[in-house]
Amino acid sequence: SQKIEQNSEALNIQEGKTATLTCNYTNYSPAYLQWYRQDPGRGPVFLLLIRENEKEKRKERLKVTFDTTLKQSLFHITASQPADSATYLCALDLRGNNNDMRFGAGTRLTVKP
Amino acid sequence: ETGVTQTPRHLVMGMTNKKSLKCEQHLGHNAMYWYKQSAKKPLELMFVYSLEERVENNSVPSRFSPECPNSSHLFLHLHTLQPEDSALYLCASSQDPGTYEQYFGPGTRLTVT
Repeated sequence: SQKIEQNSEALNIQEGKTATLTCNYTNYSPAYLQWYRQDPGRGPVFLLLIRENEKEKRKERLKVTFDTTLKQSLFHITASQPADSATYLCALDLRGNNNDMRFGAGTRLTVKP
Repeated sequence: ETGVTQTPRHLVMGMTNKKSLKCEQHLGHNAMYWYKQSAKKPLELMFVYSLEERVENNSVPSRFSPECPNSSHLFLHLHTLQPEDSALYLCASSQDPGTYEQYFGPGTRLTVT
């Protein structure tokens, strides 16, 4: 069956360090992968999208990699800040048209001052 | 939030009640979605609407009935729910079904007693 797994339920790091979150998937061949941020009591907010033919994507302090051979995406936050504390979700669309979006369970990141 | 709004934000209902969740998007988007987010579980896509037509129904029980009267409004009608239906119900929209970035509302926290 198809699965999306985010490496850990929770990750605690010190301010200023780089946070690295992992998203693994099985039995998919997604055309692209997305990362969202969700704060408590709020809906997810879109952060980045990376396509299957892209190895890496950057946006300010965020970096995403996509390895279709390993079936894995890594999400990095450099120079992390307490305001980065949130749950981060990865998402795949099985059909490439948003009609079959699958989300991982999320990793709750806490950045300590 | 002014992009995608949801009402009510909290709802407690008995198993024999009938209630409706409302979603409104102010972004001029053509696609709208209902998701269910249960504790410790990934987001689950329930319904997809494109230009007021339902294009996806992911094996959702008939006690959940969506309605999309126009491209700005989406409803989820609830009747004879079960306690396991208690969850956060999130509405989202995107420019088109094939547009990757989704904008989420804050959600309705539903408790079925």
